[in-house]
Amino acid sequence: DAMVIQNPRYQVTQFGKPVTLSCSQTLNHNVMYWYQQKSSQAPKLLFHYYDKDFNNEADTPDNFQSRRPNTSFCFLDIRSPGLGDAAMYLCATSRNHYSGRASNEQFFGPGTRLTVL
Amino acid sequence: RKEVEQDPGPFNVPEGATVAFNCTYSNSASQSFFWYRQDCRKEPKLLMSVYSSGNEDGRFTAQLNRASQYISLLIRDSKLSDSATYLCVLGRGSGTYKYIFGTGTRLKVLA
Repeated sequence: DAMVIQNPRYQVTQFGKPVTLSCSQTLNHNVMYWYQQKSSQAPKLLFHYYDKDFNNEADTPDNFQSRRPNTSFCFLDIRSPGLGDAAMYLCATSRNHYSGRASNEQFFGPGTRLTVL
Repeated sequence: RKEVEQDPGPFNVPEGATVAFNCTYSNSASQSFFWYRQDCRKEPKLLMSVYSSGNEDGRFTAQLNRASQYISLLIRDSKLSDSATYLCVLGRGSGTYKYIFGTGTRLKVLA
């Protein structure tokens, strides 16, 4: 089945130790997104790629970086994780869109739960 | 004021009840509307898209009111398995959509 895969599902890191989360998709979607979600909060968009074009949200800290080497893969790098970065990190994909198109939903991976010690 | 507002709940309802959630939004440029379901510690999953004319999928009915800028979700004959958080999501943009999430409404269906 076509899907969005995230690895690892659970990641434990130490304060300040760089960590990389990965996402892959078999949907062949142009657009890939990274979200951070903390308990009882809405997912917060960090950045997204439209093909190779990177789009950063204005309030995403510099500590968060991303790479998309090809259509299928996208990585989230946290350069110096702090305690406040402990969260669920969700990768999602979608097709490029045109206004009013019905089937333009996002497809989410299962998430990576990050713990910072 | 948040761009997407939802009552966080929880809504505690007995099995078989009908329950309705509303979601209001402030940006009239929003183009697409969705309800997602999120189980505890899992990823959001699409429940249904919301079309201008309203749409139904089994026990679930979604409505959109662009003039008043709200969408609604009605669940009939609630099941225990409907217990989850329901996220209202808006999409807008051309070429690349940005999706704006509400914080969700928590539903507990009680036996």
